Amino acid sequence: AQRVTQPEKLLSVFKGAPVELKCNYSYSGSPELFWYVQYSRQRLQLLLRHISRESIKGFTADLNKGETSFHLKKPFAQEEDSAMYYCALSGRATGGFKTIFGAGTRLFVKA
Amino acid sequence: EPEVTQTPSHQVTQMGQEVILRCVPISNHLYFYWYRQILGQKVEFLVSFYNNEISEKSEIFDDQFSVERPDGSNFTLKIRSTKLEDSAMYFCASSEGTGLEEQYFGPGTRLTVT
Repeated sequence: AQRVTQPEKLLSVFKGAPVELKCNYSYSGSPELFWYVQYSRQRLQLLLRHISRESIKGFTADLNKGETSFHLKKPFAQEEDSAMYYCALSGRATGGFKTIFGAGTRLFVKA
Repeated sequence: EPEVTQTPSHQVTQMGQEVILRCVPISNHLYFYWYRQILGQKVEFLVSFYNNEISEKSEIFDDQFSVERPDGSNFTLKIRSTKLEDSAMYFCASSEGTGLEEQYFGPGTRLTVT
């Protein structure tokens, strides 16, 4: 079954502390993995995708196919990182493409 | 910068009524999507649309739902006979190419069924 699991609903850290938001997936194929972010009163937007291997706003995510994980990391959290983070998987289904979202993790960065 | 737009921002309807949610995807995008998010739950895929036909749909997208691209700009989601459990935030998204590309999301329409 296709599934994306984000085990933490809420993650609270102090400013300057490292952050890791966990994401595990289950998919029988080669999916594309994404992290989307939703800041307060803003729309859902892409943060990064595994294929680009970029660091966006200091965040990185490495796809570990052996552990089927795509954890999001940042070495030093900032207050402006407080938001809802969604891990998502896109893959080919029976006809076209389908995207599955995890339940999301709310990151709260305290001053 | 072009954005996906959705109207209305909030729709209240009575159970059994038909609703149409409207979206204007980014103009050069080829793939369109609808998602829903019931309060407190995850974002759920409903349907993807490409080349004027449904590309993929989820188990949620039953005969009560339909999508249409009535003209060159709008993309609509119709719910024929709304139920209380259809109350949710509905997001439209679009992407340039295949379903594996970055998706650009609209701000959402909050549907309340009473």
